[in-house]
Amino acid sequence: GAVVSQHPSWVICKSGTSVKIECRSLDFQATTMFWYRQFPKQSLMLMATSNEGSKATYEQGVEKDKFLINHASLTLSTLTVTSAHPEDSSFYICSADGPRTDTQYFGPGTRLTVL
Amino acid sequence: DAKTTQPNSMESNEEEPVHLPCNHSTISGTDYIHWYRQLPSQGPEYVIHGLTSNVNNRMASLAIAEDRKSSTLILHRATLRDAAVYYCILHSGGSNYKLTFGKGTLLTVNP
Repeated sequence: GAVVSQHPSWVICKSGTSVKIECRSLDFQATTMFWYRQFPKQSLMLMATSNEGSKATYEQGVEKDKFLINHASLTLSTLTVTSAHPEDSSFYICSADGPRTDTQYFGPGTRLTVL
Repeated sequence: DAKTTQPNSMESNEEEPVHLPCNHSTISGTDYIHWYRQLPSQGPEYVIHGLTSNVNNRMASLAIAEDRKSSTLILHRATLRDAAVYYCILHSGGSNYKLTFGKGTLLTVNP
């Protein structure tokens, strides 16, 4: 139980285009979801916290107009990278507060490559 | 959240126990000690967590020092599938909480 999926698992796009990444909790409802970014050989960096039905809270240094987050339902959060550039190429991972309030459940990640 | 210190890397042999240390000298009384691991090219997964007492589950054991300034994650019999980066994270719990990931320990398991 407590499975989180992400779609797509990988995506390649051209510079200047926008990319949407979906994060779904498959067998539980998630009031809160988190978005992380991970560059090669580095640790996860939290980008933002999203609560269902409200605006996301972004970490310092993360551009809210570039990384649009929508948490429209208790099972779906989306991250849209707008006007993507090569420096946005990274591994994007979402997580959700699951059935156990003291545990986060992570998705498998989405690898974004911007050419 | 308080900071944790872990060795950058450790090596183990298959089917042998592995003890992964974590120092957290500035831990507060309400901080839980969480362990997550990240297999290559995957999202992290929860391993175990505890507050004061030692904890056991099907994946691992967590030994917490009496003064709570350090803890050890114990994998009783390492397998090749346990090769991952292990993160020790402190958090005071509650809902809507954020996890702050450090660099973790890269565990290599030799066949």
